Formats: sequence, C-alpha cells, structure tokens
Amino acid sequence: NAGVTQTPKFQVLKTGQSMTLQCAQDMNHNSMYWYRQDPGMGLRLIYYSASEGTTDKGEVPNGYNVSRLNKREFSLRLESAAPSQTSVYFCASSEALAQTPRGPQYFGPGTRLLVL
Amino acid sequence: AQSVAQPEDQVNVAEGNPLTVKCTYSVSGNPYLFWYVQYPNRGLQFLLKYITGDNLVKGSYGFEAEFNKSQTSFHLKKPSALVSDSALYFCAVRDIGGEGGNKLTFGTGTQLKVEL
Repeated sequence: NAGVTQTPKFQVLKTGQSMTLQCAQDMNHNSMYWYRQDPGMGLRLIYYSASEGTTDKGEVPNGYNVSRLNKREFSLRLESAAPSQTSVYFCASSEALAQTPRGPQYFGPGTRLLVL
Repeated sequence: AQSVAQPEDQVNVAEGNPLTVKCTYSVSGNPYLFWYVQYPNRGLQFLLKYITGDNLVKGSYGFEAEFNKSQTSFHLKKPSALVSDSALYFCAVRDIGGEGGNKLTFGTGTQLKVEL
C-alpha cells in the first residue's frame, strides 16, 4: 500500500518549457488535490478534484491545468513555466469532499520544481 | 472567508519539557480542525483532528490538541518533547456549512526545534 505517489521528485525547467507532474493514490479516495508550498506561505491549493470526472480551481490556479485521468490519477500541467512557479508541489487525496468531509488529506512526498 | 493563524514562526523547547504550538482559526460555519507534521524533504503527515465531541483530542506520537470554541483556538501540545519531534507543524481548518466549500485551509506553519 504505497499511499500517494508523485513523479518526478525533482525537475529543472527553463522559462517557457512545459511539463506534467504525475500523482497517483491507491487508497480508493474520491477526492484529489494539488498544492504548492512556498516559504512563509504555507500550502496553497492550486486545483482539486472532488470526484472522478470533475475538477475545480483552488486559490492559485493561474498558469496550471489539471486532468483527473481516472479515480487513481490526477496530473498537474504547466504549459509555459515561469520562475514564479518555482516551488514544491504536493498532491493529496481524501475521502469524498462533500459527502464525507471529516477525513484528513493524505499527502505525497512532493515534487521540487526549479524554473530558471 | 476561512483562515488559520499560527502566530509563531518557530518554537524552541528543551527535550523533556512540555511543548505548545499555537493555532487560531476563523470560519463562518463549524470548524473541522487538523494538525499535520512535515519532516525535511517529506510530505505532510496527518497527526490528529477535531470534528465534534471532547475538546481534548489525542493523536499520533503522543501529541494532543485542545479545541477552545470561545477563543477559536486549537493548540497542539505534548507533555514531554523529544528531539525527534523537531519538524514543521501545520494547522488546518475546514469550514463545514460555511463559505469555504469544505476546502482545507492551512496555516503558514511553525518550526518546532527540540534541543538536548
């Protein structure tokens, strides 16, 4: 039981390049999330998917797109990377967003992204 | 809008002494409250949660937290700190029935340093 896995662990991009961050969970959770973590700012929600087939914007969605590929997988895409997107990105999952709001979120190990 | 405040960027405590990491929150509905811990280069790990019931909640690794509705606080405590408790701690709140749409909002984190 791996929990939440993320790939890659670390990536360096040049400004304007694109990339996709992958996330998968094996806990049969309905809801999945993408956050970014920056020093002194805590975690900020980029996008979330309450259930398979749905996605919604979070607090800081600009410059990102997401795809909920199936119940297990939720990817985050940077179409044209900018230095301001240098951050640590975390994927998380939880039981259903609205139907079971009590559950905690479980986090992956993170992807460290550096945009030059 | 819901918010979480962790007023201390860093807390220093000697091993064996009690520790407290402070958290206050603001919601328009009912709060579901969580504490997470993050070790270096790792994702966030769930420690404990308050949903309803007893104001004193016990969690992993000997941690506990006290919910105080009148002071809108949810401070994390441990009777006897260990050097291995040194990490970054995040408080988070979910606004149930309020304006937050059941999303989780994180504080900016408190670095706990336990010294011999």
